[in-house]
Amino acid sequence: EVQLVESGGVVVQSGGSLRLSCAASGFTFDDYTMHWVRQAPGKGLEWVSLISWDGGRIDYADSVKGRFTISRDNSKNSLYLQMNSLRIEDTALYYCAKDSRMYSSSWYSFGYWGQGALVTVSS
Amino acid sequence: QSVLTQPPSVSAAPGQRVTISCSGSSSNIGNNYVSWYQQLPGTAPKLLIYDNNKRPSGSPDRFSGSKSGTSATLGITGLQTGDEADYYCGTWDTSLSVYVFGTGTKVTVL
Repeated sequence: EVQLVESGGVVVQSGGSLRLSCAASGFTFDDYTMHWVRQAPGKGLEWVSLISWDGGRIDYADSVKGRFTISRDNSKNSLYLQMNSLRIEDTALYYCAKDSRMYSSSWYSFGYWGQGALVTVSS
Repeated sequence: QSVLTQPPSVSAAPGQRVTISCSGSSSNIGNNYVSWYQQLPGTAPKLLIYDNNKRPSGSPDRFSGSKSGTSATLGITGLQTGDEADYYCGTWDTSLSVYVFGTGTKVTVL
C-alpha cells in the first residue's frame, strides 16, 4: 500500500525557515517524480514544486522560486522541501504527492497524496 | 490567479448527471494531458481521471473525462450524496513550466 507521510509543519514567524519532510513507502521511490502541492485555508490547490526520480529535473512555481528548495534522498525514500524567507501568504497545508507514471517528465498527474503538513506563518 | 477556469459550483438531484468544464489555452490543456481530482471535505485530494479520460483503479465508472481543444470536461452520472466535494482539473503548462490547477468547482447534491 502506498503511503506518504508529511512532517515538519509548525508555526513560524515571517522571514523564518522550515524544512518539510515526506516519508514514502509501498512503492519503488526512485522510479517516480515527486511533487509538493499546497492549499491555503479555504482556498484551491496550488502546485509548488517537482523533482524527477533521479533529481535531474526540478521545477518551481513562480511564487516560491528562489525561496524554496526541493530535494530527495532515494536511499531513505524521502522527499524534502526547504522553505526560506517565509511569508504570510505561504500559510497552507502542504501535500506531498507521487506522480502516477514511472519516470514521468512532462505528463504529470498525482496518483497518491499524503495527508498534509500545516505550515502557519505569523507576523 | 489560476490559468484554468472552472465554474464555482454545480448542483443536481441524486441520480442526475452533472458536468464540470475546465477552460485553458494551447500552452496547457491544448497540448497536454488533463487530470481531475476530487477533494472530499477535510481530506486530501484524490485522483479521479488522468490522461484526459483514463480512470485509475478504484475510481468509479460514474466519473468520465473528455477533452476538446483547449477545454476539458468531467462528467458525473448517477449523482450520489457522497459525491459532494470540490473538483479540480489540472495539467502541465508548457509555456510557464509549471503544473496548473483549475479554480475548483463545488458539487452539491440537492
